[in-house]
Amino acid sequence: KNEVEQSPQNLTAQEGEFITINCSYSVGISALHWLQQHPGGGIVSLFMLSSGKKKHGRLIATINIQEKHSSLHITASHPRDSAVYICAPTLTSGSRLTFGEGTQLTVNP
Amino acid sequence: KAGVTQTPRYLIKTRGQQVTLSCSPISGHRSVSWYQQTPGQGLQFLFEYFSETQRNKGNFPGRFSGRQFSNSRSEMNVSTLELGDSALYLCASSLLGEGVYEQYFGPGTRLTVT
Repeated sequence: KNEVEQSPQNLTAQEGEFITINCSYSVGISALHWLQQHPGGGIVSLFMLSSGKKKHGRLIATINIQEKHSSLHITASHPRDSAVYICAPTLTSGSRLTFGEGTQLTVNP
Repeated sequence: KAGVTQTPRYLIKTRGQQVTLSCSPISGHRSVSWYQQTPGQGLQFLFEYFSETQRNKGNFPGRFSGRQFSNSRSEMNVSTLELGDSALYLCASSLLGEGVYEQYFGPGTRLTVT
């Protein structure tokens, strides 16, 4: 079993829809990153959180440390949100990240 | 502040050759981590350097090595390249804050081994 499980693997939405991507992990962590990767592009860190909830514009990330679960929500989705979203917990020892397999999101106009 | 920079951005090498990739972290960051991304294996941790010392190492063969200089710039080296080493190599620098480490990623070096 992978240390980090993301769902769904693929997600297609219509512009304006509310989107949720889930991440469950089995290891001890100090924090969790949500990363975004566009095709052929580098990786951008959207959030790093260790408890509760964070919001940046239309993006919201939540984490429940006791349940070892995090979610990324996108409100009013837009075609420019189309990308791969990766859940990346930071292991308790140092800066080392472990990664989910990613969720390929496609938002159609 | 300038972001994390990686050079070169693209590289084509032949099997058996060796390659050196460079990463310059954000000014003031002292931790640099390296990751490999392939279509089959996804993102995997290679190693982490902090203050010129390797602090963590992933599950990669000894052909993969790295180092960090006193100015926090880091290099990774892959010797005796194999076709399977074709990948996007990403480095990330870390800002120490309240015991947790936010990672800032560079654009990556795309290595193709032929």
